Parts: sequence; C-alpha cells; structure tokens
Amino acid sequence: DTGVSQNPRHKITKRGQNVTFRCDPISEHNRLYWYRQTLGQGPEFLTYFQNEAQLEKSRLLSDRFSAERPKGSFSTLEIQRTEQGDSAMYLCASSLVVGGTDTQYFGPGTRLTVL
Amino acid sequence: DAKTTQPNSMESNEEEPVHLPCNHSTISGTDYIHWYRQLPSQGPEYVIHGLTSNVNNRMASLAIAEDRKSSTLILHRATLRDAAVYYCIQSGYALNFGKGTSLLVTP
Repeated sequence: DTGVSQNPRHKITKRGQNVTFRCDPISEHNRLYWYRQTLGQGPEFLTYFQNEAQLEKSRLLSDRFSAERPKGSFSTLEIQRTEQGDSAMYLCASSLVVGGTDTQYFGPGTRLTVL
Repeated sequence: DAKTTQPNSMESNEEEPVHLPCNHSTISGTDYIHWYRQLPSQGPEYVIHGLTSNVNNRMASLAIAEDRKSSTLILHRATLRDAAVYYCIQSGYALNFGKGTSLLVTP
C-alpha cells in the first residue's frame, strides 16, 4: 500500500499525559500537513512542512502542540499535558507540489480520546 | 480565512446526476477551487480541482462560473458509495474545509 499511513489509529489517554502520533507520507511527496477534526466539523489545519522545514505553525492550537519532520520523511505530532478538549481525530496529508497548487492525500487519521 | 458557502445537505436518487453548488465570492485570482469528500470514518479524499476552466476526471466534473465566484461539482450518476460530506475549498496551501454538504443517496 503506497498511501499515507498513520499510527496509532486509536489512542486513549488520561488527562495530563503526553501523546505522540506518527505519519508516514507517500514516499515522493515533499509536503506534509497536519489537521484536526472534531465531531460534526470539517478538518482544521494545524501545520505543514515542506521537506524538513516547518513553514507554518501559527495555527497550532497551543504551545502544548508541536510537530517535527526530522529528515523530511515521516512526521510526528506531539501533544503535551493532554486535556479533554484535545479529543478529536488527527489527520495527516501529504502532497507533491506541481505548478501552482498541490493535491493532498489524507491518511485514515488517529482518533484521540482523553479521559 | 478564505470561506466558501455550501448547502448543509442534499439528497439524490441512485443513478441520477447530482449538482453540488458552492459560492466563493471572495476568491482571489490565484486561488484554486478544490473539492474533497469524506466518507464516514475515513480521511478526506480528493475529488477534483480547477482554476478557471471546467474540469473533468473519472470521478466528477467541475463547472466554474465565468466570474469564478461560484462553482458546481457534478456527479454524473450517483451511487450509494457517493454518500459522503463534500467540501468545496478555495485555497491556499492550507485547506479550509468548512462544514461541507452532506450528500444522501437513496436507492
């Protein structure tokens, strides 16, 4: 399977714990995006990388959220000191920029439940 | 944030064409119009995109108004598998999804 993969698919944690999610993009894609989706809403953009450079992070929800893409391949999203309001689906997408736009391919998401 | 307007929901009969409208009155000259859909419990799936001209692919057609302030996604023959939330997005690198249109397809 050459699509975007995300691990774990589900994560249940207790309030105050740290969690880390991984995203493996399509291999030749140079851009990687993170989104969050809460129930009944469309996905909400968080951050994105072009290769290993994080080009936009002002939309990360708080300083408890951070993301890395150390070698321009896989990426991790970490949430520190989780809160119940962090419960959501976290989606990763990758793309290859061609011309003036790119088509994003999404993974299946990681569903986080904070108890 | 760039914002589009779509009906909350639409309904179609199976094997009938479906026209999903979208208004994007604040679109700039360099913004593309993207359509994605999301089936239950899945990540969004790319459907089609365009800039000025109408576009066709194996999934759908995209008709863009001459002033680019609106567009219509056309599914030529709806199937039960097309039941999903359809998002019209003007972008940008970051996709601003909004709430989309929930399409119900009935047999």
